[in-house]
Amino acid sequence: QVHLQESGPGLVKASETLSLTCTVSGGSISNYYWSWIRQPPEKGLEWIGYIHSSGSANYNPSLKSRATLSIDTSTSQFSLRLSSVTAADTAMYYCARVSTTVGANHYFDYWGQGILVTVSS
Amino acid sequence: DIQMTQSPSSLSASIGDRVTITCRASQSIGRDLNWYQQKPGKGPNLLIYTASNLQFGVPPRFSGSGSGTYFTLTISSLQPEDFATYYCQQSFGSLTFGGGTRVEMK
Repeated sequence: QVHLQESGPGLVKASETLSLTCTVSGGSISNYYWSWIRQPPEKGLEWIGYIHSSGSANYNPSLKSRATLSIDTSTSQFSLRLSSVTAADTAMYYCARVSTTVGANHYFDYWGQGILVTVSS
Repeated sequence: DIQMTQSPSSLSASIGDRVTITCRASQSIGRDLNWYQQKPGKGPNLLIYTASNLQFGVPPRFSGSGSGTYFTLTISSLQPEDFATYYCQQSFGSLTFGGGTRVEMK
């Protein structure tokens, strides 16, 4: 059973950079895409981006200028950096595994429990 | 971006009821549509992928259908553990989610 665990600071100051790490266990990080999704309090889900174990990444156009994903297959971890944060970036941040079908449908089949990040002024 | 519109945004139902949630895409997305269930304080759980494929371990009372711009998630007989919020998600373009449908007890 694949298990994902988010880690990082729960409080970030406005204008600074949010940094989170997701550790994958119970399965290989290789040959999959890995993603970050966030959910502001009492709101819906927003996809941030995903990264392949090879290092190629794809981002939500609305966050592309501020988000950077990276991956370290030797430690089975992947990370998110989100720069110049504001109060609007306060959210529960989830990491997830992306599976794909032959027809290239991308879906999230394993999720972490989430980590709440609050941006303070 | 492809916009996903779910309806209703919330509904009240009783145990044993048949429940249907709809998801409409702003343009055709083929069958690149997935459904998730989220309970309070938890991460989402995949129910259906590629419009109608039941994820392993998900009870068969859940089913999905549709293609193009119109999709539905049906719970054939609502159980106590099904009270939750449900989201659709498309992957034809940049990945986006619907706004969610909250299923509450009547």
